[in-house]
Amino acid sequence: DIVMTQSPLFLPVTPGEPASISCRSSQSLQHSNGYTYLDWYLQKPGQSPQVLIYLGSIRASGVPDRFSGSGSGTEFTLKISRVEAEDVGVYYCMQGLQTPGTFGHGTKVEIK
Amino acid sequence: EVQLVESGGGLVQSGRSLRLSCKVSGYSFSDFAMTWFRQAPGKGLEWVGFITSGRYGGTTEYAASVKGRFTISRDDSNSIAYLQMNSLKTEDTAVYYCSRGHCSESNCYMFLYWGQGTLVTVSS
Repeated sequence: DIVMTQSPLFLPVTPGEPASISCRSSQSLQHSNGYTYLDWYLQKPGQSPQVLIYLGSIRASGVPDRFSGSGSGTEFTLKISRVEAEDVGVYYCMQGLQTPGTFGHGTKVEIK
Repeated sequence: EVQLVESGGGLVQSGRSLRLSCKVSGYSFSDFAMTWFRQAPGKGLEWVGFITSGRYGGTTEYAASVKGRFTISRDDSNSIAYLQMNSLKTEDTAVYYCSRGHCSESNCYMFLYWGQGTLVTVSS
């Protein structure tokens, strides 16, 4: 199975400031079709997960443009340009290149 | 509006069975795979398994932790996916989610739609 490693596990943030979460996979997530099967999800307290970024860098419909995803191969980053109070929750990276799909352990983002 | 509604969760004794349902509306159910995830209390997300669309033969794959005990099926005529859980263990206690992703026969991305989740509690 592909192992996903996220850091940090806990991220206190100040509204208006940028934030960044890293995700590393144990093998490349690039498919032979050229796409990179790495998604980012946010699970707000008491809610189901919601997709923020898919295929490494594509922002999902309705996701604010302060969220961006980057990276390739085995190293990926989710950036929030200016954190807002509504961004609190647990962020997960997930690989969909192979079954079983696997998640990072999550990064809990809280307001300082 | 796309909706996924899970049902069938509850309290069950270890070793018994339970079947979860995921009723879908708002899109052509038969055109998409369905994936089941779970989340143990206070823990992260875990992929349980998925069933491909008819285009890919309706094949299934499972996490090692549930393989041989859980079975995913689909009823395209009624837009329902099922998760049959047998020989339940206390470590299967979790909120179970169904979700629609964009999947081929073995890879998926963009799980855009999720159900609200249904809690399964397995007691010893």
